[in-house]
Amino acid sequence: QQQVKQSPQSLIVQKGGISIINCAYENTAFDYFPWYQQFPGKGPALLIAIRPDVSEKKEGRFTISFNKSAKQFSLHIMDSQPGDSATYFCAASPGGFKTIFGAGTRLFVKA
Amino acid sequence: EAEVAQSPRYKITEKSQAVAFWCDPISGHATLYWYRQILGQGPELLVQFQDESVVDDSQLPKDRFSAERLKGVDSTLKIQPAELGDSAMYLCASSGPGQKQETQYFGPGTRLLVL
Repeated sequence: QQQVKQSPQSLIVQKGGISIINCAYENTAFDYFPWYQQFPGKGPALLIAIRPDVSEKKEGRFTISFNKSAKQFSLHIMDSQPGDSATYFCAASPGGFKTIFGAGTRLFVKA
Repeated sequence: EAEVAQSPRYKITEKSQAVAFWCDPISGHATLYWYRQILGQGPELLVQFQDESVVDDSQLPKDRFSAERLKGVDSTLKIQPAELGDSAMYLCASSGPGQKQETQYFGPGTRLLVL
């Protein structure tokens, strides 16, 4: 019930294409859903986050879609660039406590 | 821009030795987290502090791991004795008060290799 399941494990996208990463959760107490981006040798950095009272949030080329009834949320990266190549983690937490991270998706954007 | 500081960045130790990691959170951040990240996996919360108090250490292997944040500012995570399975990246994060409390700012991590 505490898990956050993330897919795919890895993703290869052409430059300019759309990258889509999906996550699913079980615990209905989760009310904060961030996405983190991690480059090799660095700590994760917050990319974008959403709360369950909205179905979509967009920041630049990054969009979170949230489906509360299905307990699923996804990250869309529009116009993917080689600089977006990194590992992406979805996460969920109840009120900011005990954040549970997904297993990560390694994205590679081909130039 | 303020950052979370961690040291050392890399540590190689032998099995059964003691190791310690240090973290200095962003100034003013009351909440401090220690995570363990095994290669190819997401971070796993080990311990969470609110000021100097532990609010969650349910996943901390307390027979060998200890963490403290004595003055509610910087923190130390210790492993004694280290085991081969402890090889991982140890990440520290902090978050501040108010609206952005849930936003965690991560340090660069300490990569531990136990031989």
